[in-house]
Amino acid sequence: KQEVTQIPAALSVPEGENLVLNCSFTDSAIYNLQWFRQDPGKGLTSLLLIQSSQREQTSGRLNASLDKSSGRSTLYIAASQPGDSATYLCAVHPLFMNSGGYQKVTFGIGTKLQVIP
Amino acid sequence: NAGVTQTPKFRILKIGQSMTLQCAQDMNHNYMYWYRQDPGMGLKLIYYSVGAGITDKGEVPNGYNVSRSTTEDFPLRLELAAPSQTSVYFCASSIGQRNTEAFFGQGTRLTVV
Repeated sequence: KQEVTQIPAALSVPEGENLVLNCSFTDSAIYNLQWFRQDPGKGLTSLLLIQSSQREQTSGRLNASLDKSSGRSTLYIAASQPGDSATYLCAVHPLFMNSGGYQKVTFGIGTKLQVIP
Repeated sequence: NAGVTQTPKFRILKIGQSMTLQCAQDMNHNYMYWYRQDPGMGLKLIYYSVGAGITDKGEVPNGYNVSRSTTEDFPLRLELAAPSQTSVYFCASSIGQRNTEAFFGQGTRLTVV
């Protein structure tokens, strides 16, 4: 059974700092991994989708890396801004379909980030 | 560009009542999903659909029903609401099932008292 852990649960940093959010998963048989951002009272917004064959993906100040063999992904945020304050979730898409025929995507609980001006 | 729209945003139900959570997407996505998000737990898949007329159970389907009569709409029905169904419900859609980004609605916060 896939388990996804995100540590720390919460993080508070001063504006301008570079930071790393961690996501670990127990089953390395993954198809891809997706990072989301969730603002309070809002839905999830996709940030980066990284394929199992890729080592990293970049979008603006965000860089996601993936190490399948060690079961880890990191989301690097450069030069953090107060507007980056949100909860960041990772979701792991399995390599194989569930016996019920659906793709059992496993979500982490998230890291709540606060960037202090 | 509306994306995925959910209504209502908030609702309080009494035990035993029924309601329908509405979800509509305007991106012509085949795949649609209903998730619930509980405090301290990751999102759990309730039901999903691969196209109009086709639905199937996810991880936690008990107490819920869905229908998909059109590509755009994917309502979630709660029959005989129970306190265990107190949660935040998210509808999502995607072009494909695996290699594409999922787009989420803003959620419905449901409390059953």
